[in-house]
Amino acid sequence: GNSVTQMEGPVTLSEEAFLTINCTYTATGYPSLFWYVQYPGEGLQLLLKATKADDKGSNKGFEATYRKETTSFHLEKGSVQVSDSAVYFCAPPFSGGYNKLIFGAGTRLAVHP
Amino acid sequence: DGGITQSPKYLFRKEGQNVTLSCEQNLNHDAMYWYRQDPGQGLRLIYYSQIVNDFQKGDIAEGYSVSREKKESFPLTVTSAQKNPTAFYLCASSTAGTKNTGELFFGEGSRLTVL
Repeated sequence: GNSVTQMEGPVTLSEEAFLTINCTYTATGYPSLFWYVQYPGEGLQLLLKATKADDKGSNKGFEATYRKETTSFHLEKGSVQVSDSAVYFCAPPFSGGYNKLIFGAGTRLAVHP
Repeated sequence: DGGITQSPKYLFRKEGQNVTLSCEQNLNHDAMYWYRQDPGQGLRLIYYSQIVNDFQKGDIAEGYSVSREKKESFPLTVTSAQKNPTAFYLCASSTAGTKNTGELFFGEGSRLTVL
């Protein structure tokens, strides 16, 4: 079945540092890929997505490019802010049909001033 | 605005009591889900429903029950049989079948503490 491997946290950065959170996936075909973010005490919300190879999803300064050749969807941001402190989840690839997503522990990001 | 509403946000329960967590959505989604999140861990699927009057067990259904009498509502009951119910509970919804884009929409969560 479809699955992801996401780098473990926590990741601790200073404000304005560059962020990369690695995510590689296993899937058949051409699935859609998603990153979700969870701020403290809240539910998950969609951060960005890409639906086909070479697509770049972007939102709030975050970007991730759908790399079919390396089966990766790494999350990047050029300059993090304290407000980006949250847990980031790379969701299992979605290949259509029933949507039973199993989420891992995510990567906790802490940004210090 | 369209979205998912969970209530209550915080709930305290004495041991041996059943509690029901509410989840309502106005997104016209067919599929709804309940997840449990423990500190530092991922989301574990408790129950899911693809359509009204039908639901299936997820990976950790023991000690929980659900109903899906209306498309908009998917309440979760945490029964006294659940040995360690203290956790953060998340409800989600999505489109289903051929219309399914894969995106999940989450509520704000309900934090249950057993005293």
